[in-house]
Amino acid sequence: DGGITQSPKYLFRKEGQNVTLSCEQNLNHDAMYWYRQDPGQGLRLIYYSQIVNDFQKGDIAEGYSVSREKKESFPLTVTSAQKNPTAFYLCASSTKIPIWDFIYEQYFGPGTRLTVT
Amino acid sequence: GESVGLHLPTLSVQEGDNSIINCAYSNSASDYFIWYKQESGKGPQFIIDIRSNMDKRQGQRVTVLLNKTVKHLSLQIAATQPGDSAVYFCAENMDTGRRALTFGSGTRLQVQP
Repeated sequence: DGGITQSPKYLFRKEGQNVTLSCEQNLNHDAMYWYRQDPGQGLRLIYYSQIVNDFQKGDIAEGYSVSREKKESFPLTVTSAQKNPTAFYLCASSTKIPIWDFIYEQYFGPGTRLTVT
Repeated sequence: GESVGLHLPTLSVQEGDNSIINCAYSNSASDYFIWYKQESGKGPQFIIDIRSNMDKRQGQRVTVLLNKTVKHLSLQIAATQPGDSAVYFCAENMDTGRRALTFGSGTRLQVQP
């Protein structure tokens, strides 16, 4: 059963603690992405990776870190430096659409709701 | 369930009516657009996409229209059903070399029985 999995669905942490969110895909996709979603807003890009061992900052990377040691996995760490970490976090992956070469449809995981108190 | 869009614009329609959801995109150089549907507490699901060299594309019960002159994208849903109730996002590929989609803020669709 192919897809993107994120775990856990709900995560609670105390302020000042780092926390790592898991994202795994078995779609053999090259690219993976992390988005943050807050109420009343669209998705904002945190980090993305086009290939293993390489990743780039998105629009709101401050206070977050990622790694891409395996094609299937793209974990996101929310550090204590992130001032407002409570949010819904979405992981996505994509592959090239053959005809268009450079355009990517993204498939999303179910999300992790992080609450920091 | 999750509340992903507490303050989103809301479109309320009667079951069986057609729905039109609009999106103004930001970059005239964007070359690819996608509509996503997001139900409460879930990740977005792909609905339909369109490339910038097209004006219209049809799927099953859905049509996307692209007006590049005014940078406007619309999603038309025919014979709207209760299961269509969700938040709908448009996304654009800005072709900046970043290869990541940029999302709009979303519209909530409420289908009244």
